[in-house]
Amino acid sequence: GENVEQHPSTLSVQEGDSAVIKCTYSDSASNYFPWYKQELGKRPQLIIDIRSNVGEKKDQRIAVTLNKTAKHFSLHITETQPEDSAVYFCAASSGTSYGKLTFGQGTILTVHP
Amino acid sequence: GAVVSQHPSRVICKSGTSVKIECRSLDFQATTMFWYRQFPKQSLMLMATSNEGSKATYEQGVEKDKFLINHASLTLSTLTVTSAHPEDSSFYICSALWGLGQETQYFGPGTRLLVL
Repeated sequence: GENVEQHPSTLSVQEGDSAVIKCTYSDSASNYFPWYKQELGKRPQLIIDIRSNVGEKKDQRIAVTLNKTAKHFSLHITETQPEDSAVYFCAASSGTSYGKLTFGQGTILTVHP
Repeated sequence: GAVVSQHPSRVICKSGTSVKIECRSLDFQATTMFWYRQFPKQSLMLMATSNEGSKATYEQGVEKDKFLINHASLTLSTLTVTSAHPEDSSFYICSALWGLGQETQYFGPGTRLLVL
């Protein structure tokens, strides 16, 4: 089955700096890669996603890049703000089971004012 | 759009009792829903895939007789934890697939289960 590795496990930045979180996946048939933000005790919320026919996608301060050959994708947050502090999860779709996602281990992002 | 609700938000029960958790898609129909379990400071672990009108598909290591899933309508899936034990205490989250041919999952707010 799919295996998703996420790094780093914790990331601390100063307000205004950029933050980058990286994930690798194992199943070359995976074609959908969402990123979720989860605040303590709350539901994961989709912040951006990318499909395998696209190399990069941007939404205001958030961008995701995908390298299908190397099987890795990254989340980039620019001009970080304290409210960006949360746990971020990457995920990859299953190549065989429609809609099924495998999640990375999560990254605790802390943005210091 | 794409709102998913979950009930109850938290439950405390005695060991040996059963607990039912409901997951509803409020403004869309979801033929497929997923049930996850999340332990503190850990990732989301998929327990099972719930398909409307058919049996759920369980992940390896998840006991189907202990975690009963019913998806009787296009807007409701239920997870029943039978004969709950303290080790079943966790955060249970459901999600629903939104849109035909789409793979975007929208999550419910989660249910915190504490088994005494």
